[in-house]
Amino acid sequence: GQQLNQSPQSMFIQEGEDVSMNCTSSSIFNTWLWYKQDPGEGPVLLIALYKAGELTSNGRLTAQFGITRKDSFLNISASIPSDVGIYFCAGPPRGSQGNLIFGKGTKLSVKP
Amino acid sequence: EAQVTQNPRYLITVTGKKLTVTCSQNMNHEYMSWYRQDPGLGLRQIYYSMNVEVTDKGDVPEGYKVSRKEKRNFPLILESPSPNQTSLYFCASGGADRIYGYTFGSGTRLTVV
Repeated sequence: GQQLNQSPQSMFIQEGEDVSMNCTSSSIFNTWLWYKQDPGEGPVLLIALYKAGELTSNGRLTAQFGITRKDSFLNISASIPSDVGIYFCAGPPRGSQGNLIFGKGTKLSVKP
Repeated sequence: EAQVTQNPRYLITVTGKKLTVTCSQNMNHEYMSWYRQDPGLGLRQIYYSMNVEVTDKGDVPEGYKVSRKEKRNFPLILESPSPNQTSLYFCASGGADRIYGYTFGSGTRLTVV
């Protein structure tokens, strides 16, 4: 089946550093979603992207819909300890009847 | 408050003892889904439902059953749990236009001994 590949799998950074992560697919997506999962909780939607090339921000988070429509990127600027968690990309592949598939996640650790 | 409610949050059970994890949403969403999360494997879909009385298998349906008799409820049933079903389970719901994303419950941590 179709898959979303996220990288890196994990990151260990110092507080204040910027973070970049990405998500790629072998097939085209018309929507990209980015979720964050805090430890012990369910994933929460951060940013939704609907158009190739689109750049959308949510506070210190910025996500981009790749122009090939096969990738997306998430950046976090000036990281803080509460950014810790797992970040998932997701999207509805073509022919899925709207069902979402998720990447395996990027686990972010922030050292104060 | 718009939310997806799962119960219980934690459950320890023995092999073979039937159990049900409940899921309820108050957003009148058509779409509901169950996922399990295991270290390194991300979120894997178990079953999903497009609407009342419409359910379909996800990627890992073996050993699970679901039902959708009412729009708001989507229980997950383990008829004969086994230790390999020890996992963190999430229920999610979404509107008819699912490109706006899903709302997830807080999770159920299941241990089968």
